[in-house]
Amino acid sequence: GDSVTQMQGQVTLSEDDFLFINCTYSTTWYPTLFWYVQYPGEGPQLLLKVTTANNKGISRGFEATYDKGTTSFHLQKASVQESDSAVYYCVLGDTNAYKVIFGKGTHLHVLP
Amino acid sequence: ETAVFQTPNYHVTQVGNEVSFNCKQTLGHDTMYWYKQDSKKLLKIMFSYNNKQLIVNETVPRRFSPQSSDKAHLNLRIKSVEPEDSAVYLCASSRLGGQNTLYFGAGTRLSVL
Repeated sequence: GDSVTQMQGQVTLSEDDFLFINCTYSTTWYPTLFWYVQYPGEGPQLLLKVTTANNKGISRGFEATYDKGTTSFHLQKASVQESDSAVYYCVLGDTNAYKVIFGKGTHLHVLP
Repeated sequence: ETAVFQTPNYHVTQVGNEVSFNCKQTLGHDTMYWYKQDSKKLLKIMFSYNNKQLIVNETVPRRFSPQSSDKAHLNLRIKSVEPEDSAVYLCASSRLGGQNTLYFGAGTRLSVL
């Protein structure tokens, strides 16, 4: 069946470090891909959305590229800040809303 | 700017009680959802509902039921809570279709003693 894999459950960095969160997906079609971010005490919110039409998403200094060849959608940021500490979810979307699949989430801790 | 409102923020109750959580969205969306988030932050969809169709995740126990008065409101009732129901319940809305962005509320944290 369809799936999303985030291998890194927890990432700890210092301010100004480079961030890379690995995400791979498995499906038989070309889905819409999302990254959501959840700050403490809040619900998840959209960080990036990428479709097959545009391939790359950039928002708030974060970047993710839709790679159909390797079925990956990694999240990157050149220089993290303490305020980026949150849980990041890679999400596979489908025209059928019930088939939206959330990855397990990556807890990012950025030390001052 | 919050557009999906959930009440209460927290609820503590005892095993066997009935609880009800409220959710309202002001975005004009036609589809609403309930998700369960466990202590490890795993998110699982429980229900998807628009004014035409309710879809229930087959793994959801029957003591859970969604209740909707109109497309802007989707409440969640738990008939007789169990300890494993302790979690954060997140309400979300979107335009119809999983390719559209989900907008979440801040969640209701349930603790079952």
